[in-house]
Amino acid sequence: GEDVEQSLFLSVREGDSSVINCTYTDSSSTYLYWYKQEPGAGLQLLTYIFSNMDMKQDQRLTVLLNKKDKHLSLRIADTQTGDSAIYFCAEMQGGYNKLIFGAGTRLAVHP
Amino acid sequence: DVKVTQSSRYLVKRTGEKVFLECVQDMDHENMFWYRQDPGLGLRLIYFSYDVKMKEKGDIPEGYSVSREKKERFSLILESASTNQTSMYLCASGGSSYEQYFGPGTRLTVT
Repeated sequence: GEDVEQSLFLSVREGDSSVINCTYTDSSSTYLYWYKQEPGAGLQLLTYIFSNMDMKQDQRLTVLLNKKDKHLSLRIADTQTGDSAIYFCAEMQGGYNKLIFGAGTRLAVHP
Repeated sequence: DVKVTQSSRYLVKRTGEKVFLECVQDMDHENMFWYRQDPGLGLRLIYFSYDVKMKEKGDIPEGYSVSREKKERFSLILESASTNQTSMYLCASGGSSYEQYFGPGTRLTVT
């Protein structure tokens, strides 16, 4: 199948690290993405990783890719209330930059 | 900055009406996409276009059509709106950089 799976909900305390996990099924996917959606808004591209990499870091964000297990994770260090949003994992399949999305993980940050 | 705009943020239509959703991008991207977003289902691809006048069906094209007469503009058409088409509609565009950028979304309610 072509499913991308994520847990639906994550709750963390402000200042802690958040880890959002994703599994995908297509081993031929070339790029994998993390998008953020704030309430009432469209999707904002956070970061993406090429399939021949196993880690990518960008300020507070760290993406880890385990290609053998088809597992992707997004770690947010020092989580803030402004990080509260829905986070979508996506994989690129086929041509034309076509993306397959997971259902999204709602991150709630509490004091 | 890439800008993807959608003609309306909120739209209310009656069952059976013809509905046009417009999307415009300013980055000369070849690829444009229409998704619908429903809670717990993530984003599902309706149609995409890889060039002017070219279109491809996505995963859920039934009840929809599209038009791309100019490179910057991609329209989604609901020929006869039904209540099960009540949803958030998101447009995206992408070029050769493997990044896909989203508009703010149109929340359509069909009564």
